Amino acid sequence: AQSVTQLGSHVSVSEGALVLLRCNYSSSVPPYLFWYVQYPNQGLQLLLKYTSAATLVKGINDFEAEFKKSETSFHLTKPSAHMSDAAEYFCAVTPNYGGATNKLIFGTGTLLAVQP
Amino acid sequence: DVKVTQSSRYLVKRTGEKVFLECVQDMDHENMFWYRQDPGLGLRLIYFSYDVKMKEKGDIPEGYSVSREKKERFSLILESASTNQTSMYLCVTVGNTEAFFGQGTRLTVV
Repeated sequence: AQSVTQLGSHVSVSEGALVLLRCNYSSSVPPYLFWYVQYPNQGLQLLLKYTSAATLVKGINDFEAEFKKSETSFHLTKPSAHMSDAAEYFCAVTPNYGGATNKLIFGTGTLLAVQP
Repeated sequence: DVKVTQSSRYLVKRTGEKVFLECVQDMDHENMFWYRQDPGLGLRLIYFSYDVKMKEKGDIPEGYSVSREKKERFSLILESASTNQTSMYLCVTVGNTEAFFGQGTRLTVV
């Protein structure tokens, strides 16, 4: 079974500061991991994904995440926050064995606020 | 571009009504999912289907059922709508390690 824990339902940073959103996963098999972003009144958009290639994954808008198996983590970072990064961010996990019954499990989300 | 189309963007229904939420995808994907999204709770899986006429319960199936008569169409049914089913409902299809989302249906049960 898979699960995802996002630590911190609300994170606030200053414009230009480092963004760090935490995601820990639990999976009995090697996982695929994803970060999605949802801007106000919009649908979910894929930021980046880990699919067992490079452990450091780069996504859109200068976001990146590092898969750390020993820590079962997939934290999302961005060196310098912009006002436009204010949104809700979701981490998700699915097993990578390509089975027909794979479920995509989401975390509870982290709402990022960026202060001027 | 993959399209996942949900039949309604906004719905208002009365308590006790039977409600149908329709979802159609055009990418021939086997896996389709229904989630509900609520503030502070993230996306919770209601039901999913990995083939025509096949369905599996997700984490919160109570009060819901589904239908998959054709590969491209996955319907979520609220047998007797209740106010605690007021939520945003998202249809998702998964292919090649990427998920594709419908635009969502905001259902209000009064």
